[in-house]
Amino acid sequence: DVKVTQSSRYLVKRTGEKVFLECVQDMDHENMFWYRQDPGLGLRLIYFSYDVKMKEKGDIPEGYSVSREKKERFSLILESASTNQTSMYLCASSPRGQQLLNEKLFFGSGTQLSVL
Amino acid sequence: AQTVTQSQPEMSVQEAETVTLSCTYDTSENNYYLFWYKQPPSRQMILVIRQEAYKQQNATENRFSVNFQKAAKSFSLKISDSQLGDTAMYFCAFARGTSYGKLTFGQGTILTVHP
Repeated sequence: DVKVTQSSRYLVKRTGEKVFLECVQDMDHENMFWYRQDPGLGLRLIYFSYDVKMKEKGDIPEGYSVSREKKERFSLILESASTNQTSMYLCASSPRGQQLLNEKLFFGSGTQLSVL
Repeated sequence: AQTVTQSQPEMSVQEAETVTLSCTYDTSENNYYLFWYKQPPSRQMILVIRQEAYKQQNATENRFSVNFQKAAKSFSLKISDSQLGDTAMYFCAFARGTSYGKLTFGQGTILTVHP
């Protein structure tokens, strides 16, 4: 069965800490995504990557960076965590090909990050 | 830029009844896709149904069907014979045809199915 695994289900960090959220997929997908989920706002795209070492900003990249050194792993980095980054973070992956004609996004189970 | 609006923050329905969740969107694109995703308490996002904009026929998946009104930019989800396992957050989402999976999501609707 296909899997997108996020390293932590819950995470508590202090303001100013550097935070790494890790995501691994075992489907050999080219595309990987980081979304942020907040009540009343739905999911918003932070960054995505369509190949190793390739990345593009999404709708809300400020305060975040990403790293994709290997195809299966996509990391979201909060350089200096702030309280307004308290949120649920969801990773997703999808294969390249006919875009969304016969594909879908595969999501991880999310990391609930609290920044105190 | 695309926007997706779900105007119902919460809905409830009795088991075995039918419920409709609303979604409207705004775009100038002609080639796009629309989705409904379900997020149960486990937080695992599950694709419920997908609609290609160029198809006039409404998509159906077992008890789930959509009413796609392209001119009105409306994309509602109908759940028939509601089951307790349908209790979840439901998200409507939009993707441009060339977006490689970059979705724009609505705010979400919490659906509770009562026994």
